[in-house]
Amino acid sequence: GAGVSQSPSNKVTEKGKDVELRCDPISGHTALYWYRQSLGQGLEFLIYFQGNSAPDKSGLPSDRFSAERTGGSVSTLTIQRTQQEDSAVYLCASSLTTGTSSPYEQYFGPGTRLTVT
Amino acid sequence: LAKTTQPISMDSYEGQEVNITCSHNNIATNDYITWYQQFPSQGPRFIIQGYKTKVTNEVASLFIPADRKSSTLSLPRVSLSDTAVYYCLVGDSVMMNRDDKIIFGKGTRLHILP
Repeated sequence: GAGVSQSPSNKVTEKGKDVELRCDPISGHTALYWYRQSLGQGLEFLIYFQGNSAPDKSGLPSDRFSAERTGGSVSTLTIQRTQQEDSAVYLCASSLTTGTSSPYEQYFGPGTRLTVT
Repeated sequence: LAKTTQPISMDSYEGQEVNITCSHNNIATNDYITWYQQFPSQGPRFIIQGYKTKVTNEVASLFIPADRKSSTLSLPRVSLSDTAVYYCLVGDSVMMNRDDKIIFGKGTRLHILP
């Protein structure tokens, strides 16, 4: 595909359930990022992957959050035992990181709107 | 990671030129300055990136003074469709090797009036 895709676009879940959010980055992009955006707020950085590895997981809000990336492509963000405060839009971005490319030239997907009831 | 400061909101009128300034006093030698635009219910969109002096593309211009402690995003002849949140970010290509986090902040809410 031409851009970053995310699925599902919307997810409504009951408190306590687990959810899995998926991100398909732009083909060839080695870096992948997850963010969370609550209503009317800025973006909260969650985690970053270079290839399949995530150097720093301290941005994840709690141990209920985990993320993985396989094959240097698709990534999943899993939230276990969801809480109402997890309700937000979860955004994924990818970038082509080379020696001459800034990691800030990121391309974002449309996001997954998660609502925990 | 260099911290950035930008106005919370701005209003302007259609057809005007809009300048949004971002302060980044602690910018490092290898840091680039990047601006994003975000419309409601969409992910941010890369607008422009620069290191020094002036950069121009089909969407905007970015002015960076010699000391690089600030930058100004300039939008020529804005229209209603330019109403969005604009984020300024500062960082370098090896940032991730230092395990720094990316901080978008709350950005500048630009409201274009008819």
